[in-house]
Amino acid sequence: GESVGLHLPTLSVQEGDNSIINCAYSNSASDYFIWYKQESGKGPQFIIDIRSNMDKRQGQRVTVLLNKTVKHLSLQIAATQPGDSAVYFCAENAARGTLTFGKGTMLLVSP
Amino acid sequence: NAGVTQTPKFRVLKTGQSMTLLCAQDMNHEYMYWYRQDPGMGLRLIHYSVGEGTTAKGEVPDGYNVSRLKKQNFLLGLESAAPSQTSVYFCASSGPRQGSYEQYFGPGTRLTVT
Repeated sequence: GESVGLHLPTLSVQEGDNSIINCAYSNSASDYFIWYKQESGKGPQFIIDIRSNMDKRQGQRVTVLLNKTVKHLSLQIAATQPGDSAVYFCAENAARGTLTFGKGTMLLVSP
Repeated sequence: NAGVTQTPKFRVLKTGQSMTLLCAQDMNHEYMYWYRQDPGMGLRLIHYSVGEGTTAKGEVPDGYNVSRLKKQNFLLGLESAAPSQTSVYFCASSGPRQGSYEQYFGPGTRLTVT
């Protein structure tokens, strides 16, 4: 899930496992959510997005689930690979086309 | 297409010095953004622009100025650098595109203020 303070929450999995990364969002009026992956030393990369009129969306090996009742978002990665090791951020839309980012979760995949 | 590019990649400043970070995008995007990222933190919005000639304050604007004189460029200025501005700075751009707020990010600039 999302962190407070300086230390990122970390999810450690074995290669081939399924990973679930969680995110709580704050604004019940948000109608768009997005997940980014950030590898060490690089800028964030888009993974998948979802609008609030959906509760599930699938991509290649990834699924995003949205629970508006409890303001919760999750990213599921199937058959996790070492190349999936990164920090994952969720974000929600805010005023004038901006995004508000969570603090991130580090995913560590061991072979 | 190069996407979003940032210059420089690294910079060390002394307290009180000034500098400008340049962001360029070749996707004809209307919106551009500057973020800072500190250890263990997410991305915090400094300033953004919804079109050429416009700028707006984000969450942490103090100590920074921006300009968007050309649609493809967004400049971030530090007039008098402080150690608290040591951070990694990311630029991003976006459409707008119907139904999406996806932002495309540059590779970042690592700034150290001593």
